[in-house]
Amino acid sequence: AQKITQTQPGMFVQEKEAVTLDCTYDTSDPSYGLFWYKQPSSGEMIFLIYQGSYDQQNATEGRYSLNFQKARKSANLVISASQLGDSAMYFCAMREYEANNLFFGTGTRLTVIP
Amino acid sequence: ETGVTQSPTHLIKTRGQQVTLRCSSQSGHNTVSWYQQALGQGPQFIFQYYREEENGRGNFPPRFSGLQFPNYSSELNVNALELDDSALYLCASSLEGNEQYFGPGTRLTVT
Repeated sequence: AQKITQTQPGMFVQEKEAVTLDCTYDTSDPSYGLFWYKQPSSGEMIFLIYQGSYDQQNATEGRYSLNFQKARKSANLVISASQLGDSAMYFCAMREYEANNLFFGTGTRLTVIP
Repeated sequence: ETGVTQSPTHLIKTRGQQVTLRCSSQSGHNTVSWYQQALGQGPQFIFQYYREEENGRGNFPPRFSGLQFPNYSSELNVNALELDDSALYLCASSLEGNEQYFGPGTRLTVT
C-alpha cells in the first residue's frame, strides 16, 4: 500500500486566492511526522511545514498551514494569498518514528494564474 | 550558515560506467540521506549515513553504495550504470535524523 497519496496531479489557482493541496497517508506507527516540500523547476526540495502526530494544533508557517485530520489520515496543505512564485511541484512526505527516511507522494503541480 | 551543496550539477554517463556524486551537509548536521527522483515521481530513499555508518537502506541494489566522511560530507557511488538510473539524485542533511534539508540535486543522464 502507498504510504503517501496525493490525488491531484495538477492544480490551478488565481493569484491572491487560497488553495488546498490534498495528502492522505497510511501507517500503523502511532508516532510519525508529516512534511510538505516545495520543488521549483530548479530541483531543490524546499521544506515548508511539519506536523507531528501528537501535535494538538495544526501547524502554521506564514502563508502555509497544515490541515491535519488524524482520524481521516489526511494532512492537507493550505496556501493562502497565492503568489506567482508559488508555482512549483509540492510533495507531501511522512517519516515514521522507527524509520530513518522520508516516504514521498507523487506530488502536485501547482500553477498560479495572474 | 552554509546549506547543503551537491556536485556536480549535471552529469552524462554511458551505460555500464561508474559514477560518484558528492554532498556537503549543512553545518552542524551529522546525518546524510540520499534519494533518487525519477522524472515525474517523488523521491525514493536510497540510504542514510549517520556518523560515518550506514543507518538504513531502501530498496536499491548493492551497486548503489555510499560513504560518509569525518566532516559528515558524503558520496554516492553507482556501479554498472543502467538507463533507468537516469534521475535527479538528492542529498539531504539533518541533525540526528530530524528535519531533513535538501541540496539542489545532481541530474544524472545515462545513455
